[in-house]
Amino acid sequence: DIQMTQSPSSLSASVGDRVTITCRASQTISRNLNWYQQKPGRAPNLLIYTTSSLQSGVPSRFSGSGSGTDFALTIRSLQPEDFATYYCQQSYTTPWTFGQGTKVEIK
Amino acid sequence: EVQLVESGGGLVQPGGSLRLSCSASGITFSTYWMHWVRQAPGKGLVWVTRINGDGKSTNYADSVKGRFTISRDNAKNTLYLQMNSLRAEDTAVYYCAGEFSPGSYYPPAGYFDPWGQGTLVTVSS
Repeated sequence: DIQMTQSPSSLSASVGDRVTITCRASQTISRNLNWYQQKPGRAPNLLIYTTSSLQSGVPSRFSGSGSGTDFALTIRSLQPEDFATYYCQQSYTTPWTFGQGTKVEIK
Repeated sequence: EVQLVESGGGLVQPGGSLRLSCSASGITFSTYWMHWVRQAPGKGLVWVTRINGDGKSTNYADSVKGRFTISRDNAKNTLYLQMNSLRAEDTAVYYCAGEFSPGSYYPPAGYFDPWGQGTLVTVSS
């Protein structure tokens, strides 16, 4: 199975900060990498697909980059509604696997 | 409005069975590969199983292979997960999620959207 490792596991940031979360795959996954946001008690919500494509309705302050094994999710200017847990997920091969999550908390 | 609604969760004893359902609306159900993803309390997301649009192809995580069965009824716009021989470690919120597949000549999208709200399965004596 492909292992997905996110860094950091948690971070504290202030409104307006630029935040970057990284995701590393244990083998190359081309650009088959997606990002989800999950708020407590809610289902995950797709933010970014295929590394850098913004899902419809997602604010443009979210962006994704990378290829091969190293990927990143960047939030350009953190807003109050962005405090949540973020997961990366590879869709290169089954079993689909997720990163362990990065919790973004208010500083 | 696109909506996936899960049902069927609850408390079951170890070794018992449960069938989850996921009812879809607002989408052309047969054009979506469907997945189950679970999340143990306080833990991360784990992919469980998927089924293609016509129900003829399935994949399972090793942890559930031989115990869980995914199926679908496109006439009823409903996805199912039959869970047998349940273990304590199967305790989780189970989400159904769709993966758009534009047709036989194109690969499925590779990402999960939409998602249901989840249904909690608790395996305990």
